[in-house]
This record gives sequence, structure tokens and C-alpha cells, in this order.
Amino acid sequence: EIVLTQSPGTLSLSPGERATLSCRASQSISSRYLAWYQQKPGQAPRLLMYGASSRATGIPDRFTGSGSGTDFTLTISTLEPEDFAVYYCQQYDSSPQYTFGQGTKLEIK
Amino acid sequence: QVQLQESGPGLVESSQTLSLTCTVSGDSIGRNTYYWNWIRQPAGKGLEWIGRIYNSGSTNYNPSLKSRVTISVDTSKNQFSLKLISVTAADTAVYYCARLPYTTGYYYFDYWGQGTLVTVSS
Repeated sequence: EIVLTQSPGTLSLSPGERATLSCRASQSISSRYLAWYQQKPGQAPRLLMYGASSRATGIPDRFTGSGSGTDFTLTISTLEPEDFAVYYCQQYDSSPQYTFGQGTKLEIK
Repeated sequence: QVQLQESGPGLVESSQTLSLTCTVSGDSIGRNTYYWNWIRQPAGKGLEWIGRIYNSGSTNYNPSLKSRVTISVDTSKNQFSLKLISVTAADTAVYYCARLPYTTGYYYFDYWGQGTLVTVSS
């Protein structure tokens, strides 16, 4: 099983700042198989990025995904109040198996 | 607009069977384009994929749950279902159903149900 480790566990920032979230895989994965989600309290996760760097429909361009191999990053260029949430990365392997990282909580400083 | 809606008992006794149904609207579950999935999330914790089904009935399960899980599909009702046997308190979670398009060559969950909380009581 491929394990995804997200860091930091909690990120405290202010609106207008830049956020950088990390997702590290225990072995190399195809970037096509890496996705990011945003989850707010009491809501289902919402797809942000797929294929590591492609934004899902309706996702603003302040969200950028990058990375390859074992290291992937989600960057939010200028934080808006609605961006404070928990973020998860997710991968697929051909077992088939889908696994998620443990999440990064982005909180208002 | 595609919508998924979970339904089923919110309380299940320990050692019994958890049964949930996901009703899909705005799309046909019979289309050869998607996998239909169950995912769960214990309170305050992360997400765990349970399993997936194709419209033909072909399934794949998380190895950690495989011995206890069955996912089935009813294309006539545009629904798919989850059964988890011999539940314990560790199975208490919010259960989500979700769609995964697979013809794109990418693997991501694009539509999710709102989730339903299932509590296992002792």
C-alpha cells in the first residue's frame, strides 16, 4: 500500500498570505494519479486538482498543484477567507487501491 | 447536475450488518464511464476508501475491509449499495458515496454525496 504523508498537520496563516501544502508518497506514483480535495466542516470533500496540476471545474486559479514522483505540492497564492479548511491528497495505484493523506488543516492565524 | 444521496440506518448494533444505498440522479449509473465508490471518514479523522463497483457489477475492495464488504449495483434504480458485516465501534463513521470517471486516464472522485453518519452501538 502506498502511504501519503501530508505536512504540515496544521498551517496557521492570514488572509492574503501564500499557503504551501505538501504531500509525500512512500513510493513513486504517476502524477496522473494524484488529486487534491478541500473539505469544510460538515461537508463532503470537494475536488480541487487532478493529475497533480489540473484544476477541477470552477476552481479559481489561485490554486496551483505541482510535483512528481514522491513529492507533490498544493499552493494557494493569496488566501481568501473561504480557503480555510482541511486539504487532502489522494492517490491511485493499480492494485487497485485509493489512499488519502491524513490531511492538512489550514486555519486562520 | 449530478447528485449522489446516501440513505440507510444511522444506528447499527455491534456485530450486525451495516447497509447503505446511494441514489444517483442527473446521470445514468449504467454509463460505461464511471466507477461508483464508497468512502468513509471517522469523526475528526481522514478518509478511507472502502471499494468500488462498475455498472457490470465488477468490484474491487480495500484489502483491509475485503472480508467484510459487499458492494452491489441496481442499474434499474440508478443505485448502488454497501453492506459491511460484523461491525464494531471502529466502523462508526460518516459514509460517502462518490463517482470516479475512469476513461480520462486520471483517477479522482469528482462528485460526492453529502455523507451519512453511521454509529455502531454496543
